Amino acid sequence: NAGVTQTPKFRVLKTGQSMTLLCAQDMNHEYMYWYRQDPGMGLRLIHYSVGEGTTAKGEVPDGYNVSRLKKQNFLLGLESAAPSQTSVYFCASSYGVIEAFFGQGTRLTVV
Amino acid sequence: GEDVEQSLFLSVREGDSSVINCTYTDSSSTYLYWYKQEPGAGLQLLTYIFSNMDMKQDQRLTVLLNKKDKHLSLRIADTQTGDSAIYFCAESPLASGGSYIPTFGRGTSLIVHP
Repeated sequence: NAGVTQTPKFRVLKTGQSMTLLCAQDMNHEYMYWYRQDPGMGLRLIHYSVGEGTTAKGEVPDGYNVSRLKKQNFLLGLESAAPSQTSVYFCASSYGVIEAFFGQGTRLTVV
Repeated sequence: GEDVEQSLFLSVREGDSSVINCTYTDSSSTYLYWYKQEPGAGLQLLTYIFSNMDMKQDQRLTVLLNKKDKHLSLRIADTQTGDSAIYFCAESPLASGGSYIPTFGRGTSLIVHP
């Protein structure tokens, strides 16, 4: 039982490049989330999904897109990376409201 | 995390008690949580409290909830150097569409001195 797995763990992008971050969970959770963590800002919600085929915007959705084609996967896309998107990205999943399980994070640097 | 407020830093001596405070805004939150983040890792749930409770104790951890003031605190008794981490307060307000989505504070960095 791996829990929540994020790939890649580290990435450096040039401004304007695109990439996709993959989150996979093996706990059959309905809810999945993408957060970004910046120093002094805590965790801010980018997008979330309450089930396969559904997505919704969070607090800071601009510049990101997401897809939940399969229940176990939640993809976060950056179409044209900007230096302001340099951050640590965390994926999480939950069955209900009791506990969210987090991945180990992806450290993204945009130069 | 603008709806959940925490102080950013707390420094204590090993063996003392630590108290981390948090204020939240959304009265629709059914559960309130404390998560712990160790360096280079994701967040892990430490404990949670249901909104109709005043207190919850779990070994060295005590959570106090003051619903009137929307104030949540986490007390760690006999703080150890291994407790050094970032502690996040979180609530799950009701979002549009009827889902409860976790909202986190900025996190309190707890530094424990030997």
